[in-house]
Amino acid sequence: GAVVSQHPSWVICKSGTSVKIECRSLDFQATTMFWYRQFPKQSLMLMATSNEGSKATYEQGVEKDKFLINHASLTLSTLTVTSAHPEDSSFYICSASLAGVPYTQYFGPGTRLTVL
Amino acid sequence: SQKIEQNSEALNIQEGKTATLTCNYTNYSPAYLQWYRQDPGRGPVFLLLIRENEKEKRKERLKVTFDTTLKQSLFHITASQPADSATYLCALLPGDSSYKLIFGSGTRLLVRP
Repeated sequence: GAVVSQHPSWVICKSGTSVKIECRSLDFQATTMFWYRQFPKQSLMLMATSNEGSKATYEQGVEKDKFLINHASLTLSTLTVTSAHPEDSSFYICSASLAGVPYTQYFGPGTRLTVL
Repeated sequence: SQKIEQNSEALNIQEGKTATLTCNYTNYSPAYLQWYRQDPGRGPVFLLLIRENEKEKRKERLKVTFDTTLKQSLFHITASQPADSATYLCALLPGDSSYKLIFGSGTRLLVRP
C-alpha cells in the first residue's frame, strides 16, 4: 500500500522550454503532497507543499512563477518547470502523506530532469 | 543555526556484521525522527519512525534509537547483507506542526559479501 508514482522518470529538454512532472498516489488519497529537489550527493531539499484545492506553499528561495504546482485532486499533483535552464537540471521527487497520518511521507521514484 | 548531520563518509562493512549509522541534530526539538533508504536514482523508501518519547524502535533486522538529550539517533542493521547496500537518510519533523521533513545528507552503506 501507499504507492506513489511519478511520470516521466526522466526527461531531457532544451533551455527555455517548459516541463511538466506528474505525481500520483495510486492506492490512497493524499491530502498533502510535497515536492523536493535533490542535487548529486546532496540532501533532499523541500521546494513546496501543496494541499488539494489550494495554492502551494513555497519554501524560501524557490520561485513560485518558475516552479508551478497544481494539486487538482486528492491523487494528482503536477510540477511544471517553466523556461527551464541548465541549472534547473536535478532529480525531482514528490511525496504524499495520508489523511490522518501527516507525519509519514511516501515518496515517488523521482524524475531526472536534464536541461541542455 | 539548525543542522541535521550524518556521516558523509561511506560505511564499509562485512556481510553479517551490524551496521550503525548516526544522525545528529542541533537547534531542533523534533517530535518525530525517521529513517529512509535511498537507492541510486530512486526516491527514498520509509523504514522506521520514532517519536520523541520513545527510546528505541525495532523492525525485523532494523533498530532505531533516539536520545533527545544527546540530540542523536542511531540506526542499526543487524546481520547485514549486500542487499542492504544503499544510502540511508535520517529526517526529522521539527515539531512546529508544519509536517515538513528536514533531511540529512545521508550515509552510504556498503556491505561486502
